[in-house]
Amino acid sequence: AQSVTQPDIHITVSEGASLELRCNYSYGATPYLFWYVQSPGQGLQLLLKYFSGDTLVQGIKGFEAEFKRSQSSFNLRKPSVHWSDAAEYFCAVGPHTGGGNKLTFGTGTQLKVEL
Amino acid sequence: EAGVTQFPSHSVIEKGQTVTLRCDPISGHDNLYWYRRVMGKEIKFLLHFVKESKQDESGMPNNRFLAERTGGTYSTLKVQPAELEDSGVYFCASSPYLGQGPETEAFFGQGTRLTVV
Repeated sequence: AQSVTQPDIHITVSEGASLELRCNYSYGATPYLFWYVQSPGQGLQLLLKYFSGDTLVQGIKGFEAEFKRSQSSFNLRKPSVHWSDAAEYFCAVGPHTGGGNKLTFGTGTQLKVEL
Repeated sequence: EAGVTQFPSHSVIEKGQTVTLRCDPISGHDNLYWYRRVMGKEIKFLLHFVKESKQDESGMPNNRFLAERTGGTYSTLKVQPAELEDSGVYFCASSPYLGQGPETEAFFGQGTRLTVV
């Protein structure tokens, strides 16, 4: 069965510092990979996704993620964090065929940004 | 264009009562999904509608949960009778793609926070 692990429940960074959120997945084939963000009072918003091709994908709000097949990882990065990035971040995996948007999510990482 | 809308945003009910959650997807989206997040845990898939038909309901926890999507438009998720472990945030999502993969983005609502006391 597929699964997603986000080992960091909470992360605190200073504004302007770099950020890396970890995500490891377990999936029997090449997965579709996603990062979503949920800001307070908002729904989940898609930051970026990986389907195939270039393993470094760019997303919205200055985020990027790198797919590393050998490590079964899809870590999210941002070179300089802004206070507005404080939110909860979810990594997810989806099937290549069948299942539509039936996603398997990790438990989330809560990001706090110190001014 | 309006996004995915969920009602109510919060609901507090007593154990044994009935609650109905509603989701209005983006107009024209054939796919509609329900997910649930129990506090501190991952967001888990509950079920998937394609228009008015249940495509996959493998994530529904038990027969106290009933989902419907009349006419392929809005959807309701009823919990009857509610138990303490049903507390959590229920998310709805919709997408326009009628195919087999998640190439087309699913848009999520803000969720309904259900508290059973």
